[in-house]
Amino acid sequence: AQKITQTQPGMFVQEKEAVTLDCTYDTSDPSYGLFWYKQPSSGEMIFLIYQGSYDQQNATEGRYSLNFQKARKSANLVISASQLGDSAMYFCAMREGQGSARQLTFGSGTQLTVLP
Amino acid sequence: DVKVTQSSRYLVKRTGEKVFLECVQDMDHENMFWYRQDPGLGLRLIYFSYDVKMKEKGDIPEGYSVSREKKERFSLILESASTNQTSMYLCASNALAGEETQYFGPGTRLLVL
Repeated sequence: AQKITQTQPGMFVQEKEAVTLDCTYDTSDPSYGLFWYKQPSSGEMIFLIYQGSYDQQNATEGRYSLNFQKARKSANLVISASQLGDSAMYFCAMREGQGSARQLTFGSGTQLTVLP
Repeated sequence: DVKVTQSSRYLVKRTGEKVFLECVQDMDHENMFWYRQDPGLGLRLIYFSYDVKMKEKGDIPEGYSVSREKKERFSLILESASTNQTSMYLCASNALAGEETQYFGPGTRLLVL
């Protein structure tokens, strides 16, 4: 079974509108972390936001927020007020268990295009 | 700011060649990782290292080896490159304690002919 599922291969959004990128995950470990990364066409992976499994509140970082629904095992990324520079591939990733020396498992990504 | 650098952005090699991909981080991170990225598959872990001279296999280690002689440097080695190793290779690092976010290098696009 896929541990991280991103069901939207591609998304379009109008500039200045909000957009939600979906991510569902599968783990039996009570301790885990969820990450979102952005990958522009240049290739580098840029960290956006992190949510820990025990965090009570949804994570926010500027225009990015993570809609964490633990019971549904979903961790959707919400980008408010989209900008042309937001056009990129977005990856959801999960770290299972505790400790930093653990691999991240990535979803297949969502290509977001912001339209002027 | 964390900086992770990779020796080449683009690389073209021939089948059977030995290929070295170098990664250097300047934040004194204990952990370093090598991933490959293929369309539709996301990123998959090849190897990681949590200390000098230590290494652990990831999900797809076959055909690869790694070397970590110094804390800041983590090398990925393709002993005998094959066409199915044509891919984007990304290096990442993070600290042993504190923030767990992995920081990535710019990636190396490898083409094996």
